[in-house]
Amino acid sequence: DGGITQSPKYLFRKEGQNVTLSCEQNLNHDAMYWYRQDPGQGLRLIYYSQIVNDFQKGDIAEGYSVSREKKESFPLTVTSAQKNPTAFYLCASSHQQGDGSPLHFGNGTRLTVT
Amino acid sequence: RKEVEQDPGPFNVPEGATVAFNCTYSNSASQSFFWYRQDCRKEPKLLMSVYSSGNEDGRFTAQLNRASQYISLLIRDSKLSDSATYLCVVNRGGGFKTIFGAGTRLFVKA
Repeated sequence: DGGITQSPKYLFRKEGQNVTLSCEQNLNHDAMYWYRQDPGQGLRLIYYSQIVNDFQKGDIAEGYSVSREKKESFPLTVTSAQKNPTAFYLCASSHQQGDGSPLHFGNGTRLTVT
Repeated sequence: RKEVEQDPGPFNVPEGATVAFNCTYSNSASQSFFWYRQDCRKEPKLLMSVYSSGNEDGRFTAQLNRASQYISLLIRDSKLSDSATYLCVVNRGGGFKTIFGAGTRLFVKA
C-alpha cells in the first residue's frame, strides 16, 4: 500500500542535542512538507520541498534543517537552536505544487526534549 | 486575526444528532478547500474536499460560500466513531500555501 512513513513514533532527547526525524513516501509525490502541531493550535509549516534537491523555509523554520536528496525522502533535523522543540511533528506530501491537491500525512513523530 | 477561523468547541451531541461546523477564511485568493479529521494523538486525514456547488459523502455534507468566505460541514446521524477534531483547511494555490484551522472538537455520546 502506498503511504507516508514517519519514524520513530516517539522520540526523547536531552536539551542541546540535535535529532533527525525520518519521513519516507512511496506515493510518487513531488512535494513534501514538515509541519509542527502544538496542543490547541493549528499546524504550522516548517519547511517544504517541491522537487529533489530543492527546499524552502516555511513559517517557523528557525532551529530546523532539512534535505531532499531523493524524491521519496525528506528528513527533518531539529537542532539545539530550536528553543521549544517538544511537539508533534507531521510530514506530508502532495502531487504537485500549485494544483491545489490535498496533503496526505504520515502518522507523526512525537518529540519530547527535556 | 487568523487566516482560517473555527469555533474550537467542544461540541457534545448524542448519537443520531445532526451537527454543523463553520469555518471562515480571510484570504479571497483561496482556491481549494478541505475538511480533515484528526483523532486524538493521530495524524490528520482527509475527510472531503469542498466544492462551490456543495458536495455530499454519505452522512457528511460540505458547503462553500465564496462571497462570504465561509465553509461548513454538516454531519447527519452522528455515530460514536465521529468523535474527533475536524480541521478546516484552505489552500491559496500550492501545498505550501495550505492553511489549517485550529480545529473543532466533537464528542458524540451514547
